Amino acid sequence: QKEVEQNSGPLSVPEGAIASLNCTYSDRVSQSFFWYRQYSGKSPELIMSIYSNGDKEDGRFTAQLNKASQYVSLLIRDSQPSDSATYLCAGPSNQAGTALIFGKGTTLSVSS
Amino acid sequence: DAGITQSPRHKVTETGTPVTLRCHQTENHRYMYWYRQDPGHGLRLIHYSYGVKDTDKGEVSDGYSVSRSKTEDFLLTLESATSSQTSVYFCAISRGVGHSYEQYFGPGTRLTVT
Repeated sequence: QKEVEQNSGPLSVPEGAIASLNCTYSDRVSQSFFWYRQYSGKSPELIMSIYSNGDKEDGRFTAQLNKASQYVSLLIRDSQPSDSATYLCAGPSNQAGTALIFGKGTTLSVSS
Repeated sequence: DAGITQSPRHKVTETGTPVTLRCHQTENHRYMYWYRQDPGHGLRLIHYSYGVKDTDKGEVSDGYSVSRSKTEDFLLTLESATSSQTSVYFCAISRGVGHSYEQYFGPGTRLTVT
């Protein structure tokens, strides 16, 4: 059974700081990972996808994948109160990657 | 919400009654998924479909059945609802092209079984 682990938090950072969210997974074969943001009472929203080792940047967000360490992270630069949400990490639950397994999420709180 | 609608958005039902939730997409995506989300458990896959009439079980499929007779519609049925099935249910879709299985979620259905 594949697993995706996240620290549930809450992670609290002041406005303008860098928020670092981490995720570990149990399978060395997994190729692709996803970060979702979920506001309270809303559905998950895809914010980053990463398919290869290294960093991927999109605006204030940077996803990092280290396959050897089975570790995925999401950095949010210049954190804003509007970034306050639960962040879900997801990886493939089968070989083909057609289904995902989600971590339980990390709650981020950005204070102004 | 990436052209995905779910109905109903809220439902209260009694234990033992059948319930059907509907997911409708306008994106013509091949893959469709049903998840439930509960405090302390996160998002868990119930069933998914990789084409018309093609479905597979997920992590928590007991007590649920699905059907997909058209590309755009994926139905989740609770044959005899139990209180443990009180949850928020999300539908998701994925294009499933190459190695890209990014999933996009619908708005959710809040189901309460009394």
